[in-house]
Amino acid sequence: AQSVTQLGSHVSVSEGALVLLRCNYSSSVPPYLFWYVQYPNQGLQLLLKYTSAATLVKGINGFEAEFKKSETSFHLTKPSAHMSDAAEYFCAVSATSGGYQKVTFGTGTKLQVIP
Amino acid sequence: DGGITQSPKYLFRKEGQNVTLSCEQNLNHDAMYWYRQDPGQGLRLIYYSQIVNDFQKGDIAEGYSVSREKKESFPLTVTSAQKNPTAFYLCASRDGGNSPLHFGNGTRLTVT
Repeated sequence: AQSVTQLGSHVSVSEGALVLLRCNYSSSVPPYLFWYVQYPNQGLQLLLKYTSAATLVKGINGFEAEFKKSETSFHLTKPSAHMSDAAEYFCAVSATSGGYQKVTFGTGTKLQVIP
Repeated sequence: DGGITQSPKYLFRKEGQNVTLSCEQNLNHDAMYWYRQDPGQGLRLIYYSQIVNDFQKGDIAEGYSVSREKKESFPLTVTSAQKNPTAFYLCASRDGGNSPLHFGNGTRLTVT
């Protein structure tokens, strides 16, 4: 079985400050990990993905995430928050089990950026 | 442009009625997924299909049904057996293996 835990349902940062959104995963097989962003009343857009090629993954809009196997974590960071970063962020894990590939999402973290 | 189309954007139904949500993709993806989103609960998997004429129950399949007769289409029926159908429904697809999901813009269903 696989699962994802996102710590903090709401995170507030000042514009220009560091953004850190936390994600811990559980998977019985090597995982593929993703971060998605969702703006109100829209679908999810892919920010970045980890597929075992490199532990530090760079994504769009200046975001990056580091895969730490020893900590089973895949935290999302951005050095300097912008007002347009205000959205909800979801961490997800994809793994193959019994010949099927399921994708499991965390409960999401809403990011507020304060001017 | 390739993508996933969900229609309608907003849907209103009376309690006791079945309703079908449309999902069409022109990305030539084999796998398609339906998720339900409720505030504070993230996305929960309803059904998924890895190939035409085959689909699997997700974590919350009770009260829902699907079909996959064509590669491009994966409609979801919310039946009257679903206890709390009001939610935001998201359809997604992906290429083989563990590639990223591509999402539609969702259908917001309200049942009164």
